[in-house]
Amino acid sequence: GAGVSQSPSNKVTEKGKDVELRCDPISGHTALYWYRQRLGQGLEFLIYFQGNSAPDKSGLPSDRFSAERTGESVSTLTIQRTQQEDSAVYLCASSFAIEQYFGPGTRLTVT
Amino acid sequence: EDKVVQSPLSLVVHEGDTVTLNCSYEVTNFRSLLWYKQEKKAPTFLFMLTSSGIEKKSGRLSSILDKKELFSILNITATQTGDSAVYLCAGANAGGTSYGKLTFGQGTILTVHP
Repeated sequence: GAGVSQSPSNKVTEKGKDVELRCDPISGHTALYWYRQRLGQGLEFLIYFQGNSAPDKSGLPSDRFSAERTGESVSTLTIQRTQQEDSAVYLCASSFAIEQYFGPGTRLTVT
Repeated sequence: EDKVVQSPLSLVVHEGDTVTLNCSYEVTNFRSLLWYKQEKKAPTFLFMLTSSGIEKKSGRLSSILDKKELFSILNITATQTGDSAVYLCAGANAGGTSYGKLTFGQGTILTVHP
């Protein structure tokens, strides 16, 4: 079946602009997670959704970052007033139980 | 704060060698330990370990968890160039609002030369 998909696959933006990243989870997966991975580093947790509520937003690095989810479907991660340190790969994962299945990521470059 | 530490950070071997990757964890309300392989962008799921001392095996890969000493190992026998990747381990939280949240280690970069 279809896996987790993310769009766009690559995004180059100018410092100060807003960006929106999209994640389509595997159908039927109730949980959805966003992670950030900087070059050469591990995955950094950002936010977790169970259905359309976000019980754990502890990883969002600043109030420029926000996310929402429609039901048990699509999620969008929005970064306002992007900074160069926001450059990273943003990965989304979905889960029905514990094991998480990842999308291909969005590579964000802020110039 | 939950923490997962992997070692070594990088490893270079030749085809046919056997490698052991290490992962130690400190995770509040620990539920499970997961291993992933990351070749380009998306980590792909390898194993989930919940019980201590029970080896999980898939082809040339195997893994085991020690919940007393808080570590796991991933073994790859008869390595092939296609095993070259970053191997990530992650601890899963079982508690409340953080249920299922994964804390990742920094990864081990494995390079297998022909």
